[in-house]
Amino acid sequence: AQSVTQLDSQVPVFEEAPVELRCNYSSSVSVYLFWYVQYPNQGLQLLLKYLSGSTLVKGINGFEAEFNKSQTSFHLRKPSVHISDTAEYFCAVTPLGGTSYGKLTFGQGTILTVHP
Amino acid sequence: EAQVTQNPRYLITVTGKKLTVTCSQNMNHEYMSWYRQDPGLGLRQIYYSMNVEVTDKGDVPEGYKVSRKEKRNFPLILESPSPNQTSLYFCASINLAGHEYFGPGTRLTVL
Repeated sequence: AQSVTQLDSQVPVFEEAPVELRCNYSSSVSVYLFWYVQYPNQGLQLLLKYLSGSTLVKGINGFEAEFNKSQTSFHLRKPSVHISDTAEYFCAVTPLGGTSYGKLTFGQGTILTVHP
Repeated sequence: EAQVTQNPRYLITVTGKKLTVTCSQNMNHEYMSWYRQDPGLGLRQIYYSMNVEVTDKGDVPEGYKVSRKEKRNFPLILESPSPNQTSLYFCASINLAGHEYFGPGTRLTVL
């Protein structure tokens, strides 16, 4: 079984400031990790994913995340945010194979609000 | 265009009246899922399917049924809806590279 904890439910930040959204997970098996973004009144869109290889992954809209296996973390970062980044962000994991592949477990979400 | 479609987008119903939310994907994915989203709880998986005629319970399956008779369709059935099933529902399909595609969501209100 997996669990995902997003450490901040809300993160306010000023435009052009850097931001980090924190995600920790626990799992008894190896997992794939994801960050999704949900803009108001819309569905979820994949920002980035870690499957294997380099622990620093780059996604869309200038976001990146670093997988840290020893700390079981997958924090999302952006060096300079824009007003348009205001949204809710979800961290998620799924087992990397077997009969449980595709059983995504999501964190509770972090609402990022960018102020002018 | 690769997409997941859901219908209806909005639904208001009464307790006990059976309803079905349809979901269809055009990407030939084997894996499909249903989630519900509630404030402060994130998304929780209701059911998922690994292929035609193969389904399994997610984290919150009580009160829901699914079927997978064809690869592209994965309807969610509420046989006797109750107010605690008022929620925002998402269907999704996932490819073998781990990319999950979400539908636009169905906002269900059970009175």
